[in-house]
Amino acid sequence: GQQLNQSPQSMFIQEGEDVSMNCTSSSIFNTWLWYKQDPGEGPVLLIALYKAGELTSNGRLTAQFGITRKDSFLNISASIPSDVGIYFCAGTYRPSDYKLSFGAGTTVTVRA
Amino acid sequence: SQTIHQWPATLVQPVGSPLSLECTVEGTSNPNLYWYRQAAGRGLQLLFYSVGIGQISSEVPQNLSASRPQDRQFILSSKKLLLSDSGFYLCAWRTSGTHNEQFFGPGTRLTVL
Repeated sequence: GQQLNQSPQSMFIQEGEDVSMNCTSSSIFNTWLWYKQDPGEGPVLLIALYKAGELTSNGRLTAQFGITRKDSFLNISASIPSDVGIYFCAGTYRPSDYKLSFGAGTTVTVRA
Repeated sequence: SQTIHQWPATLVQPVGSPLSLECTVEGTSNPNLYWYRQAAGRGLQLLFYSVGIGQISSEVPQNLSASRPQDRQFILSSKKLLLSDSGFYLCAWRTSGTHNEQFFGPGTRLTVL
């Protein structure tokens, strides 16, 4: 699949801060997924989005499926230390697609 | 509920030695199965996927091969490892024919010396 443009590449968080990251595609997607990977572990699915404009929350995480269907955003509110890790976006055009396109990841680190 | 297992968790192998990594899924039938590789600090590279027993699609020409001898078993192999085969290998599964969500295993850390 095509590579998605994910930004920022890395970010530093301070406990209590709200942070945001986004993912864009050059073509229309009908599914957007957000994963988090802790060091040395496999990615874990955080949120799945299936409809343009959809806004879905999972605890302090909120993700949105962009109206243009070419982008998605993930927000983390009131950051805590365990939010550190790598966040990946992924997407596909058709529900029958076997493969996902992935972003390169956003690495979240605690600011010293 | 569904679970996915990978073993071994870590592996150190000399250059030129063979490789066999195993992935099994429980609690679902006829899943789509995937092998990914992740270099240090990098994204996910799809290596192989399978939509059924004996059906393998290769994404990247390389030194590796995959097999699916049973419905819920996916094996990644090599006859002779290269230094460049080092990395974090992830297996994933997806329910066939429905939503696109893939679920990842815990991964195998392979170091080739």
